[in-house]
Amino acid sequence: AQKITQTQPGMFVQEKEAVTLDCTYDTSDQSYGLFWYKQPSSGEMIFLIYQGSYDEQNATEGRYSLNFQKARKSANLVISASQLGDSAMYFCAMRGRGNTGFQKLVFGTGTRLLVSP
Amino acid sequence: EPEVTQTPSHQVTQMGQEVILRCVPISNHLYFYWYRQILGQKVEFLVSFYNNEISEKSEIFDDQFSVERPDGSNFTLKIRSTKLEDSAMYFCASSERQGFYEQYFGPGTRLTVT
Repeated sequence: AQKITQTQPGMFVQEKEAVTLDCTYDTSDQSYGLFWYKQPSSGEMIFLIYQGSYDEQNATEGRYSLNFQKARKSANLVISASQLGDSAMYFCAMRGRGNTGFQKLVFGTGTRLLVSP
Repeated sequence: EPEVTQTPSHQVTQMGQEVILRCVPISNHLYFYWYRQILGQKVEFLVSFYNNEISEKSEIFDDQFSVERPDGSNFTLKIRSTKLEDSAMYFCASSERQGFYEQYFGPGTRLTVT
């Protein structure tokens, strides 16, 4: 079974600074995918970034980058130059192998990020 | 940009009533999902659907739940006899292909069972 652990219930950062949100995972699969989603107070889930287990380079999407350390089973999200609009809940997720293939996403408990002016 | 839509945004129902939550996935997507998020908790997988049948379901998805794609665009989740513990945000998601492709989520339906 897959498991995602996010140990930081809340994080604070000042505007324009960088912040790292931690995520560790556990799986027996050799091939897997890791995702980060943002959930603003309005409730929707917004896809941010994806990292495949065989990708040798860390994924980047604009101000988001994923610090992937396979041996340590960690997939931390780095947000550079934080903006007030980054204040939200952030979920790390893994594409787990269900009974019929890589279907479901398994989520962590989330980290609430608050960006202050 | 194409997006997943869900209706209604908020539904209040009495315990024991049936509810149907509706979703319109992105038009060229083939894989559809329902997830649930109880207030303040993590998002949990309920069911995945492909080629007009359930491909996987979680332990939460018991006989009270059913899914259907009644036409070429809608994807519905039915809860036959709601319980208080069914109160949650329900997210529909879709993806173009199976495997490591992002799932695009709808804005969610907040279900309140009284």
